[in-house]
Amino acid sequence: DTEVTQTPKHLVMGMTNKKSLKCEQHMGHRAMYWYKQKAKKPPELMFVYSYEKLSINESVPSRFSPECPNSSLLNLHLHALQPEDSALYLCASSQDGAALGKLFFGSGTQLSVL
Amino acid sequence: TQLLEQSPQFLSIQEGENLTVYCNSSSVFSSLQWYRQEPGEGPVLLVTVVTGGEVKKLKRLTFQFGDARKDSSLHITAAQTGDTGLYLCAGAKNYGGSQGNLIFGKGTKLSVKP
Repeated sequence: DTEVTQTPKHLVMGMTNKKSLKCEQHMGHRAMYWYKQKAKKPPELMFVYSYEKLSINESVPSRFSPECPNSSLLNLHLHALQPEDSALYLCASSQDGAALGKLFFGSGTQLSVL
Repeated sequence: TQLLEQSPQFLSIQEGENLTVYCNSSSVFSSLQWYRQEPGEGPVLLVTVVTGGEVKKLKRLTFQFGDARKDSSLHITAAQTGDTGLYLCAGAKNYGGSQGNLIFGKGTKLSVKP
């Protein structure tokens, strides 16, 4: 299994809603990532979990809250988002840290905030 | 701030033509990756180059890493319509240990017309 699975594929939410994005991998990878990608832009790193511990937070607003329940799962909890948060949210994993950069990406969740 | 400059930003060619995409930086990277992304999907890793001067071939795609590990190129021979997509280069740097981060270029949007 060489897949990173993200759910849901599409999500529409209001600014007062609470929702969660989910990501799962069964490749035994110990590092997992959340990226945000706006249209026609490259992915931007949000969070990195290494061995289930948060190791990098790229100054992401607190309305985004990551969680790593175990080595195979990564969640992103969303609360009180703004319309400018609408984007493609990508989960990725790698065997270890990104030093050799072999990231496997999921298909993403296309988020629209109304 | 580390930057990866990709050029050209857009490229539209006829099927059968050759093309080269460039990725340049003033920073040294421990490795450099090329990804291809289709609309609404996550990036898919094409290749990782690690050694300065390294050349890797993947069918019609040839990847080169500069001697100083600051730049890379992707050459496609006899392009096909299936090569259409967004090509992203990404450089990996270490943060004082094994944990690293990927810096993405802005991408080259390639359109191959029949």
